[in-house]
Amino acid sequence: DTGVSQDPRHKITKRGQNVTFRCDPISEHNRLYWYRQTLGQGPEFLTYFQNEAQLEKSRLLSDRFSAERPKGSFSTLEIQRTEQGDSAMYLCASSLTEQFFGPGTRLTVL
Amino acid sequence: GQNIDQPTEMTATEGAIVQINCTYQTSGFNGLFWYQQHAGEAPTFLSYNVLDGLEEKGRFSSFLSRSKGYSYLLLKELQMKDSASYLCAVRDRTAGGSYIPTFGRGTSLIVHP
Repeated sequence: DTGVSQDPRHKITKRGQNVTFRCDPISEHNRLYWYRQTLGQGPEFLTYFQNEAQLEKSRLLSDRFSAERPKGSFSTLEIQRTEQGDSAMYLCASSLTEQFFGPGTRLTVL
Repeated sequence: GQNIDQPTEMTATEGAIVQINCTYQTSGFNGLFWYQQHAGEAPTFLSYNVLDGLEEKGRFSSFLSRSKGYSYLLLKELQMKDSASYLCAVRDRTAGGSYIPTFGRGTSLIVHP
């Protein structure tokens, strides 16, 4: 399978815990994006990498969120001290032109 | 930033044609995308327009007018499986020089027999 993969697919955590998600993009794609999506809304931009460089970060993103792409391949998104409002689907996409999305990680914060 | 507007919901009959509109405002336009998203699944790419005009791909076509900040997605010969959310995404140049696609809220299309 040469598509975008994400792990885990589902995560249930208690408020205040830290969580980390992983994204493996399509291998020849140098651009990688993280989005967050809630029910009835379109994907909301979080952050963007070109190779290993994090070039854009949404100003809506609090400092509890951090993302890395250490070798320009896979990426991780960490949320510290989770809050109930963080419950959402977290989508990763990679691109040359159009974006290819992974299946997402559904986070539920209790 | 962008202001992307598309209808929240539309209904249509199997076999018919439906047009989903999208209007936007950008400062550094660099392309418009349409994606399809079934419930509980990730968005999948449908079409890309960067120049004015109509792009046709099978039953789906997409139109762009950059001067009007307007696009539409046209779906022909509707099938029940076309019931999904249709997302309009505009790629805009940020202050940092990157090109980031920003999504509208999506249009939920319901196809009935």
